Parts: sequence; C-alpha cells; structure tokens
Amino acid sequence: GQQVMQIPQYQHVQEGEDFTTYCNSSTTLSNIQWYKQRPGGHPVFLIQLVKSGEVKKQKRLTFQFGEAKKNSSLHITATQTTDVGTYFCAGPLGRQGGKLIFGQGTELSVKP
Amino acid sequence: GAGVSQSPSNKVTEKGKDVELRCDPISGHTALYWYRQSLGQGLEFLIYFQGNSAPDKSGLPSDRFSAERTGGSVSTLTIQRTQQEDSAVYLCASSPLGPGLYGYTFGSGTRLTVV
Repeated sequence: GQQVMQIPQYQHVQEGEDFTTYCNSSTTLSNIQWYKQRPGGHPVFLIQLVKSGEVKKQKRLTFQFGEAKKNSSLHITATQTTDVGTYFCAGPLGRQGGKLIFGQGTELSVKP
Repeated sequence: GAGVSQSPSNKVTEKGKDVELRCDPISGHTALYWYRQSLGQGLEFLIYFQGNSAPDKSGLPSDRFSAERTGGSVSTLTIQRTQQEDSAVYLCASSPLGPGLYGYTFGSGTRLTVV
C-alpha cells in the first residue's frame, strides 16, 4: 500500500547547526503537509506544499516539494532549543485525497 | 470553540472494560479525523468523517472500535472490551474541508492506559 517514509528517525545537533529531514512517498502526492510535535504535545500544522518543485520559507525553516511530487524536505538553519520536537510529513492517501498518511517522524534534539 | 477539544485528557481503565473518548471539533469544520499514536510512534489513521458522507472506517483496527459523529459536530470514539495493546494517545483533528486541502488542527489527545 501507499507509504510515506521519513529519514532520519532521530537527529541530535548542537545549537546553531543545521538540520534536515527527508520525506519520501511510494506514490505521487497531490500535496504534502508538515507538522511539528513538541515533547508531550500534539502535532501542529506548519505548512502545505502543492506545486511541483515548490519551495517555501518560514523564518529559519525551508520546505521543498520534489519535482516528481514524491519527496519533500524540511531544512532548519541554525537550530535553536525551541526547535526541539518531532517533525512529521503527511500526504493524502489515494487518488481522491482521502485521509492523510503520516510519516514516522524525525525526532530532533538540540544541545545548547 | 477556539480549538479542538478532547475529553478526558487521561483515562485509565481495566482490561475488558469499554471506554468512550470525546472530540469537539472547531465550529464549522466539516471534516473530523481520529488518529492513534503509540509511545514514540507515528500517527495511525483510524476513522474520518466528512460532512454527511458515510465515514471512512478503513483504519479501525478491529470491530471493538467504533465511532460516531452527531449533528456534524461532536464525535465519540468507543473501544469495547479494551486490551492492553489499545493503550495509546488518541488524537482527534478537524479541518474546514476534505483531507489534504487544509492543514489539520489537532486536539491535545486522550491518553488511554489499559491495565
């Protein structure tokens, strides 16, 4: 069945270092969404990408959607301790959209 | 309300008992979703309601799980004869329209512990 895979599963960085998480789908996605879940919290919507090759920025966060619309990445420049959490990508399941299927997430820890 | 409200926030139940989890979505959001998150794991889809359409129940793990949405608003997820493997955080989310068109707004979840 359709799968959304994320790597790495864990990433430990020193504060100020950059961080990237990658998301790959087994099928073409109509769009992709990114969420952040702080420790002990619930997922919070960050952004949605729709167009092939789309790049969006939110302050130190840069989101990319691949040309084939099967992969995406989230890059954080100069991480801060407030970036700690698990980052999930999610894509609609099935041709008609359907429900979102989530990747397993990348857990980011930042050492001050 | 301002956000998605879930109750209870924590539930400890004995194996074999039934439990009901409640979700109150954002007013006006036509789509409502239930997901389950086990410790340190990703989000597992359970069920999805969209307006007056028949719900998509394809993610329910067994017939012990059921859900309803009354009046297009509040939803209840019921787990009958709970088992220890049902222990998880149950997350409800809502969105203005169908899935993939808008981001989900999640509630804070119900942490279910089956002892």
